[in-house]
Amino acid sequence: GAVVSQHPSWVICKSGTSVKIECRSLDFQATTMFWYRQFPKQSLMLMATSNEGSKATYEQGVEKDKFLINHASLTLSTLTVTSAHPEDSSFYICSGLAGDTDTQYFGPGTRLTVL
Amino acid sequence: DAKTTQPTSMDCAEGRAANLPCNHSTISGNEYVYWYRQIHSQGPQYIIHGLKNNETNEMASLIITEDRKSSTLILPHATLRDTAVYYCIVRFKAAGNKLTFGGGTRVLVKP
Repeated sequence: GAVVSQHPSWVICKSGTSVKIECRSLDFQATTMFWYRQFPKQSLMLMATSNEGSKATYEQGVEKDKFLINHASLTLSTLTVTSAHPEDSSFYICSGLAGDTDTQYFGPGTRLTVL
Repeated sequence: DAKTTQPTSMDCAEGRAANLPCNHSTISGNEYVYWYRQIHSQGPQYIIHGLKNNETNEMASLIITEDRKSSTLILPHATLRDTAVYYCIVRFKAAGNKLTFGGGTRVLVKP
């Protein structure tokens, strides 16, 4: 299957700082990428959908000014958590949509801890 | 997207086949059935998907009933590494359509 990487795999930051998470599709081009968040013992919740070269579409209740998404190329999307607070601590997972199979492939996730 | 219903959890014996049911009684004609699994602290892994015909790949088989209202994922020879949460998701196979994750089935493979 197609491979998606994320960097970093985990990050600890202080409250009020910003954190950037990278998502890369390694062996396919992803015109659409998705960002999910998963809290402990819960299922994945979609945060936003990003299409290459255009603005992301955010799910209801997700603050677009807090979670900045950039999808500048067909293989890279970034999520920046601005002014992070402890309640933003979570497991952030991205996925890329492979156009030939129309299937989403997921990255390994990034665990964010905000102190 | 149509809602799915899965058992909360199930155990299976190592080396035996694991049959994971999924109910999607409100599925529409253009919706596909996708299966993913998530091993603890990792991102979901794609397993298989289908529309109405049974499908098989190197990981699993997908059996969809004729009326498409339910399906079964079959892991032919479960191993301890198959312990994970398995998600059955129904969605339109159109570019950009999102996946909606439910609670899934927590599968524990026992020696």
